[in-house]
Amino acid sequence: AQSVTQPDIHITVSEGASLELRCNYSYGATPYLFWYVQSPGQGLQLLLKYFSGDTLVQGIKGFEAEFKRSQSSFNLRKPSVHWSDAAEYFCAVGLTGGGNKLTFGTGTQLKVEL
Amino acid sequence: DTAVSQTPKYLVTQMGNDKSIKCEQNLGHDTMYWYKQDSKKFLKIMFSYNNKELIINETVPNRFSPKSPDKAHLNLHINSLELGDSAVYFCASSQEGLNTQYFGPGTRLTVL
Repeated sequence: AQSVTQPDIHITVSEGASLELRCNYSYGATPYLFWYVQSPGQGLQLLLKYFSGDTLVQGIKGFEAEFKRSQSSFNLRKPSVHWSDAAEYFCAVGLTGGGNKLTFGTGTQLKVEL
Repeated sequence: DTAVSQTPKYLVTQMGNDKSIKCEQNLGHDTMYWYKQDSKKFLKIMFSYNNKELIINETVPNRFSPKSPDKAHLNLHINSLELGDSAVYFCASSQEGLNTQYFGPGTRLTVL
């Protein structure tokens, strides 16, 4: 069965600093990978996704992520964090066949210091 | 226009009651889902429907019964509510196949 690990439960960065959120997955085939963001009291918003092709994918709000098959990773990055980026970030892997099922990581809570 | 909407946003009820949560999507998607987010923010799929047909049914107590009257709606009915059912329930939708899922705003259920 597929699984997703987000090793960092909490991360605090200063506004303007760079950010990298880690995500590792376990899946036998080429995964479909997603990053979602959840602001307090809100639903989940898609930041970006990787299905195939270029391993560096660009998303909304200045985020990008890089798929590294050799490391089974899909880390999320942003060069300069804004205070409004404070939220919970979820990495997810999609399973083909047997329904369109997403397995989520446990999330990383990002705090931004002004 | 809200793409995926859920009602109610908050639901507070007593143990043993029966309640329903409604979900509607106006994206023209074929597939809809219910996820449960627990107090530790962990998200887990419960059900998915494709064209009104049940596709995924994870290990969920049979007190939970999804109903899809049409492609645009997927409701969740919960019987005999228990304290452990307290969570945020998210509805989502996508095109058929492994595609991006779009989430609703969530329904926070509190069982007293």
